[in-house]
Amino acid sequence: DARVTQTPRHKVTEMGQEVTMRCQPILGHNTVFWYRQTMMQGLELLAYFRNRAPLDDSGMPKDRFSAEMPDATLATLKIQPSEPRDSAVYFCASGLVLWGRGRRSGANVLTFGAGSRLTVL
Amino acid sequence: GDSVTQMEGPVTLSEEAFLTINCTYTATGYPSLFWYVQYPGEGLQLLLKATKADDKGSNKGFEATYRKETTSFHLEKGSVQVSDSAVYFCALSDQETSGSRLTFGEGTQLTVNP
Repeated sequence: DARVTQTPRHKVTEMGQEVTMRCQPILGHNTVFWYRQTMMQGLELLAYFRNRAPLDDSGMPKDRFSAEMPDATLATLKIQPSEPRDSAVYFCASGLVLWGRGRRSGANVLTFGAGSRLTVL
Repeated sequence: GDSVTQMEGPVTLSEEAFLTINCTYTATGYPSLFWYVQYPGEGLQLLLKATKADDKGSNKGFEATYRKETTSFHLEKGSVQVSDSAVYFCALSDQETSGSRLTFGEGTQLTVNP
């Protein structure tokens, strides 16, 4: 089965350090999402890309978070500087979305990676 | 904006018991509805989906019916197994109003005891 691959799986760092999380979406998928999961907030959408172009990053704290897709096989989420409140599991998801097509196309299924668990001390 | 509300957890059942996890939604458009499952230490996996009113999604013995009149998508299973222990997320996606982003409910932790 095709998979979304995320690295690292676990990261422990100290406050103020830069953290970069990477995601390899499924080949052929045109849309990539970054979600954050915490006990308090549940699953929050941070940003997403269509055909590598950022569509919406309104869920991200702009002063410290940045998301990019340098190529079709790599999406990155960077936090600089990191803070203890950033501790969470970060999920990447990809999907083949038929933008502009009918809403019942069923193409809104996303495949999630296993997540990157970040702990900021 | 769009939102999803799930029944509060956690839910603890004995093996072979009947399961219902309630989910209701609010959407301005005409969304697709999903149930995702998250096993410990893993990402979310699609369990089932429905794209229009009265559709029934089903998979692995789980079922949910898209009820537009009650804005609900309750998850049911007739006989749960220990291996069903996981966190279940109800979600919606409205391509016309929000692209394909998923809006999730809070998640419901299910524990099935032997």
